[in-house]
Amino acid sequence: RKEVEQDPGPFNVPEGATVAFNCTYSNSASQSFFWYRQDCRKEPKLLMSVYSSGNEDGRFTAQLNRASQYISLLIRDSKLSDSATYLCVVNDGGGFKTIFGAGTRLFVKA
Amino acid sequence: DVKVTQSSRYLVKRTGEKVFLECVQDMDHENMFWYRQDPGLGLRLIYFSYDVKMKEKGDIPEGYSVSREKKERFSLILESASTNQTSMYLCASSSSGPVNSPLHFGNGTRLTVT
Repeated sequence: RKEVEQDPGPFNVPEGATVAFNCTYSNSASQSFFWYRQDCRKEPKLLMSVYSSGNEDGRFTAQLNRASQYISLLIRDSKLSDSATYLCVVNDGGGFKTIFGAGTRLFVKA
Repeated sequence: DVKVTQSSRYLVKRTGEKVFLECVQDMDHENMFWYRQDPGLGLRLIYFSYDVKMKEKGDIPEGYSVSREKKERFSLILESASTNQTSMYLCASSSSGPVNSPLHFGNGTRLTVT
């Protein structure tokens, strides 16, 4: 089993749609969780951190479920500019081990 | 805003050449990392450093070495470049603390070894 697993997609959605990505992780001791966005041939950029209480940033909502060891990202009212690959990232507590998921590709169509 | 700068966006080298990839960050971060990213394989950690002159092997250190003489600078060295080292190389930095902080990436160096 991979340490961090994501559905690779691609997800093809129309503008205005709501889309959700899930990510599972294998190490129950993991402490920090993030979603990154990566555009084609560019570097990954931090989209948002994921907190136990869940957090929202505009159209984006991230949730963490420690019992089931998964995190999620919800994008509401999708824009064309949301087209990118979304990477799930998990840090092990107390160390430097950062595990990246393989990414979920999103295409938003007009 | 954190700025991580990689010295070259694109680089073309010949097999057997010694290659230096430079990375500088301006946020006084303790931790610095070198990754490579290949289609279908995702991001893989080559080396990281949590302090000046300190270095630790990542998941794929073979064929690479690193140098961290100053806190803001982390160099990746390919001692004798090979075609299987053609890849996108990404440098990142983060601060230390009780909870791991997120990584901030440079804009990458696309290296082609012919």
